[in-house]
Amino acid sequence: AQSVTQLDSQVPVFEEAPVELRCNYSSSVSVYLFWYVQYPNQGLQLLLKYLSGSTLVKGINGFEAEFNKSQTSFHLRKPSVHISDTAEYFCAVSPSNRDDKIIFGKGTRLHILP
Amino acid sequence: DAGVIQSPRHEVTEMGQEVTLRCKPISGHDYLFWYRQTMMRGLELLIYFNNNVPIDDSGMPEDRFSAKMPNASFSTLKIQPSEPRDSAVYFCASSGQGTNYGYTFGSGTRLTVV
Repeated sequence: AQSVTQLDSQVPVFEEAPVELRCNYSSSVSVYLFWYVQYPNQGLQLLLKYLSGSTLVKGINGFEAEFNKSQTSFHLRKPSVHISDTAEYFCAVSPSNRDDKIIFGKGTRLHILP
Repeated sequence: DAGVIQSPRHEVTEMGQEVTLRCKPISGHDYLFWYRQTMMRGLELLIYFNNNVPIDDSGMPEDRFSAKMPNASFSTLKIQPSEPRDSAVYFCASSGQGTNYGYTFGSGTRLTVV
């Protein structure tokens, strides 16, 4: 079975500063990895996903994530955040070798400070 | 594409009443998922369907909850009788590429049981 750990429940960051949201996963098989974003009072929206190939994945709104198999991590980064990035971010994992549901982390709330 | 459509967006009901939440998946998507989101428990998968057939309902909290998918374009989640602890945001999601490839979420229904 897969599991996902988001180490920080909340991350405060000043506007225009860089940010990293941490995600570690556990799996006995190869995986697909995802980051979703949830803006206030909205549903979850896919930010980016790693399926195969390059370990550096670029997503929408200037976000990127790097798959590190040896460290079982998939951290999300943005070089300069804006007030509009205020949201909750969910890391998720699924097995790549079979049809099985995606497992979501508990989320990290990103607070942008003016 | 209009995306995954959920109705109503907000529902306030009295304890003991029946509540029905509705979902229209993206046309052509053959997987449909129902999630519940609360502050305490985060995002929980309740049930998912493939080609209108329930595949895994292990997340349904108790017999008061039931879900149906009478056709490929419509699903309902019913709570009868409702209780205050059912207050949450309920999300529907759909996928056209299996269960492990990424989902498209609706905007959710915020349920308040008083």
